[in-house]
Amino acid sequence: AQRVTQPEKLLSVFKGAPVELKCNYSYSGSPELFWYVQYSRQRLQLLLRHISRESIKGFTADLNKGETSFHLKKPFAQEEDSAMYYCALKGTSGSRLTFGEGTQLTVNP
Amino acid sequence: NAGVTQTPKFRVLKTGQSMTLLCAQDMNHEYMYWYRQDPGMGLRLIHYSVGEGTTAKGEVPDGYNVSRLKKQNFLLGLESAAPSQTSVYFCAGRGGGTDTQYFGPGTRLTVL
Repeated sequence: AQRVTQPEKLLSVFKGAPVELKCNYSYSGSPELFWYVQYSRQRLQLLLRHISRESIKGFTADLNKGETSFHLKKPFAQEEDSAMYYCALKGTSGSRLTFGEGTQLTVNP
Repeated sequence: NAGVTQTPKFRVLKTGQSMTLLCAQDMNHEYMYWYRQDPGMGLRLIHYSVGEGTTAKGEVPDGYNVSRLKKQNFLLGLESAAPSQTSVYFCAGRGGGTDTQYFGPGTRLTVL
């Protein structure tokens, strides 16, 4: 069975501080992982995928197969980063994603 | 190009009533999905479809039915609503050659 865990339901940081949103997964095969974001009053949208190895809006995420983690990081948080973040895993069935519980990030001024 | 749309945006039902949520997309998505979003539980897949005329169960299918008679529409039905089905429902679509799911704006359903 595949599972995604986001241990922090709420995370609060100050503007300019580093932020790390944790994501752990369990999956026996070779996973593909994603971060989706939902800003207030907006639709859920893809932020980044591990395959692309990209930095979006200053965020990066590295897949660590040894620790089965895919933490999302940003060195200097901005107020506009405040949102709900979901980690998602594409596993056995290539047609569907398994989402984590979500982390509500608040960046204070 | 409206993308993925959902109808209605809000609805209040009494226990035992039925209703249908409509998801429509004009992005030629092969795959379509229905999720529910509950606090502390994230997004959970209810049902999904890998193409016109097909449907499959997700993680939490009980109490729901779906149909995909046309490629652009994916309907979610509640035959006999229960308070446990109070939630925000999201539809999403995905093209065959991409991993990205495109979400609708959501439907907030309250069952009294």
